[in-house]
Amino acid sequence: EADIYQTPRYLVIGTGKKITLECSQTMGHDKMYWYQQDPGMELHLIHYSYGVNSTEKGDLSSESTVSRIRTEHFPLTLESARPSHTSQYLCASSEFGRTSGGRGTGELFFGEGSRLTVL
Amino acid sequence: SQQGEEDPQALSIQEGENATMNCSYKTSINNLQWYRQNSGRGLVHLILIRSNEREKHSGRLRVTLDTSKKSSSLLITASRAADTASYFCAPHKMGAQKLVFGQGTRLTINP
Repeated sequence: EADIYQTPRYLVIGTGKKITLECSQTMGHDKMYWYQQDPGMELHLIHYSYGVNSTEKGDLSSESTVSRIRTEHFPLTLESARPSHTSQYLCASSEFGRTSGGRGTGELFFGEGSRLTVL
Repeated sequence: SQQGEEDPQALSIQEGENATMNCSYKTSINNLQWYRQNSGRGLVHLILIRSNEREKHSGRLRVTLDTSKKSSSLLITASRAADTASYFCAPHKMGAQKLVFGQGTRLTINP
């Protein structure tokens, strides 16, 4: 069972509100990721991190921002939520990273997701 | 593109039958991974096959890999209602430190 946790699982908020989706892992993984997924659709990588103080934009442009101050924590923030941000957000981590010398299989461990609805 | 493309997009079978899903990709890979996603949940890693392997088994799962054709298949034998989920393949491109996912195959097991 993966030791990666996301909160909240469900969130319904009004337009213009600031929200932060939390993601924490206890596996000591270097790499962490945020994916966005609409129901029945593919996952889109929106942010990833190689390690502390390292963040990169993913393949899909997103108005959200992330930070990586601690290895185990990778929160995602939306400064002003809009209905177009309604989606499921999935956090994942992996042992494969630059700081591990490139070793590892790249297997991802996912959290249960945060389903965001913006009214 | 790094992502795999799953085929078919949807598959519906009777409980007890075998389910086969295919994946095609375009790049050289270190390994190829299969994941399952139950409705509304996160993805769960099922099985990984390395580029120098041709076949791998795990319980009722059998994965094959043909690097010359850049394709893989996932076979679930003796399917159960609990196997109803979406299945994604993820080719791990050489040198890459991220995985890209396609739309997956939505598998429905009918009782």
